[in-house]
Amino acid sequence: GAVVSQHPSWVICKSGTSVKIECRSLDFQATTMFWYRQFPKQSLMLMATSNEGSKATYEQGVEKDKFLINHASLTLSTLTVTSAHPEDSSFYICSAQQGGGANVLTFGAGSRLTVL
Amino acid sequence: GNSVTQMEGPVTLSEEAFLTINCTYTATGYPSLFWYVQYPGEGLQLLLKATKADDKGSNKGFEATYRKETTSFHLEKGSVQVSDSAVYFCALSPYGGATNKLIFGTGTLLAVQP
Repeated sequence: GAVVSQHPSWVICKSGTSVKIECRSLDFQATTMFWYRQFPKQSLMLMATSNEGSKATYEQGVEKDKFLINHASLTLSTLTVTSAHPEDSSFYICSAQQGGGANVLTFGAGSRLTVL
Repeated sequence: GNSVTQMEGPVTLSEEAFLTINCTYTATGYPSLFWYVQYPGEGLQLLLKATKADDKGSNKGFEATYRKETTSFHLEKGSVQVSDSAVYFCALSPYGGATNKLIFGTGTLLAVQP
């Protein structure tokens, strides 16, 4: 079946540094990828929708200059948390939607970010 | 607005016990409803779904019925196994079937003991 790989699965960084998280569709082309964030004991919240070759669409309240999303190819989207702070510590999950009219989402296993 | 509320975990059960995880929703229009499961170290996987009132989704012994009158989509299984231990997410799509704009609940951790 379809597989989405997310890397790294966990990362610890110092406050003020930037962190990049990759989301790859391994055996299918993903025209659209989604990025979610989950704080402890809270819901998964959609952060942004990225379409290959175009700018990401951010949900209300998500800072686009802080959470840079790049979807340069049909199999790779990246989320960069710039100048990370402790309040950015969270669980980040991506999902990929197959193209060709298929209405199926495949999720990555998530990336745990801890900012010290 | 649209939202999903599900029971807090963890839920701890013995093998072969009956499982219910409650989920209620608030939505405008006619949403589709989903249950996703996340096993340790893996991504969320679609477990079952229902797209209209009174529909019953089922898979792997799990069932959930779309109840419009009570705005609920409770997950049930008659006899759980250790392998069912995972986090279960209730979700809705406010666009009548499209899965791209999912709204999730907080997730419920299920731990099944032998």
